[in-house]
Amino acid sequence: DGGITQSPKYLFRKEGQNVTLSCEQNLNHDAMYWYRQDPGQGLRLIYYSQIVNDFQKGDIAEGYSVSREKKESFPLTVTSAQKNPTAFYLCASSTSGPNSGNTIYFGEGSWLTVV
Amino acid sequence: EDQVTQSPEALRLQEGESSSLNCSYTVSGLRGLFWYRQDPGKGPEFLFTLYSAGEEKEKERLKATLTKKESFLHITAPKPEDSATYLCAVRYGGATNKLIFGTGTLLAVQP
Repeated sequence: DGGITQSPKYLFRKEGQNVTLSCEQNLNHDAMYWYRQDPGQGLRLIYYSQIVNDFQKGDIAEGYSVSREKKESFPLTVTSAQKNPTAFYLCASSTSGPNSGNTIYFGEGSWLTVV
Repeated sequence: EDQVTQSPEALRLQEGESSSLNCSYTVSGLRGLFWYRQDPGKGPEFLFTLYSAGEEKEKERLKATLTKKESFLHITAPKPEDSATYLCAVRYGGATNKLIFGTGTLLAVQP
């Protein structure tokens, strides 16, 4: 089935550690995104990529890093510099193009907890 | 300030009791308004995209409508399985093509 696969579903991080969340899509979408969801807040954009080997910071990029070496993959690293990393992380993708209302499709999410 | 506001924050309905959820927006250059359903602990599931005022879309018991300032998600004769958080998002702007999300409406349908 076509879709977006995130792993792991649950992840625990110790203080000072970096962790990487995986995101793979087989929808042949050019654009990929990472969002963070916290209770009582709307989804906030961390990073996005419109094409391979290119990505842009979103609204809350500090303490995060990404790479886009393949069209299908857009991993997110939560670094030790992220002060409040406990959250639900959502990967998404869409067809690309600045002049359209491209629908964004989401993966099932990853829960990250700092212990 | 560009923003998207959803109301109510929470809504409790009896099975079969129809109602509407609201998504109001203050952005310029609307490119699309999106509705999603999100179950607890899962990613948002796409429902509808609306592009212009007057547009309507339906899926089972759900119907989405769009005006120049807001969108409504009408739920007709809801069932308990319609219980979820419903998210609204707006894509707007020129070259920047931004997308912002509302905080959602938590819907509970009781049998």
